[in-house]
Amino acid sequence: NAGVTQTPKFQVLKTGQSMTLQCAQDMNHEYMSWYRQDPGMGLRLIHYSVGAGITDQGEVPNGYNVSRSTTEDFPLRLLSAAPSQTSVYFCASSLSQGASGNTIYFGEGSWLTVV
Amino acid sequence: GDSVTQMEGPVTLSEEAFLTINCTYTATGYPSLFWYVQYPGEGLQLLLKATKADDKGSNKGFEATYRKETTSFHLEKGSVQVSDSAVYFCALSGPVGGATNKLIFGTGTLLAVQP
Repeated sequence: NAGVTQTPKFQVLKTGQSMTLQCAQDMNHEYMSWYRQDPGMGLRLIHYSVGAGITDQGEVPNGYNVSRSTTEDFPLRLLSAAPSQTSVYFCASSLSQGASGNTIYFGEGSWLTVV
Repeated sequence: GDSVTQMEGPVTLSEEAFLTINCTYTATGYPSLFWYVQYPGEGLQLLLKATKADDKGSNKGFEATYRKETTSFHLEKGSVQVSDSAVYFCALSGPVGGATNKLIFGTGTLLAVQP
């Protein structure tokens, strides 16, 4: 059971380039989300999805796109990378939305540097 | 809006010392409370959680009690080990039956345990 898998683990981009961070889970979870982690700011929610075909914005959505065509995959796209998007990105999933009994599982993170 | 405040680090302790990491929250309704741990180079792992007032979450010798009267969820361990060195995040999510289980994180507290 792989859990939540993120790729790539490390990436360096030039300003203006686009790229996609991949996230896949094999637990049949409905709820998936993307966070970014910055020093002194904890984790902040970028986008989330409550099921295939449904996405919504989190706290810091600007500069990012998501889609959820399947239950398993939730890619995060950087449209035109900026140095301010240098961060560590975490994908997370849980069985369903709501109900505090759902444990949220995190991927191992993707370290992105924009130069 | 909802928020989490936790003590700034780093916290440096000697092995077998007592650990307290303070966490307080602001939320409407009755959130669930969590402690996540992030070991160097890894993603976040759920350490413990509590879903209602006076609940005590515990795992691996760590404990935290949901105190509604003081809006706190302080993390404690009686005797820390070098292997406990990590970043600890306090977080809250919406109440049971709420529309979403988005997590709101504190800024994280780095714990360094010296032999």
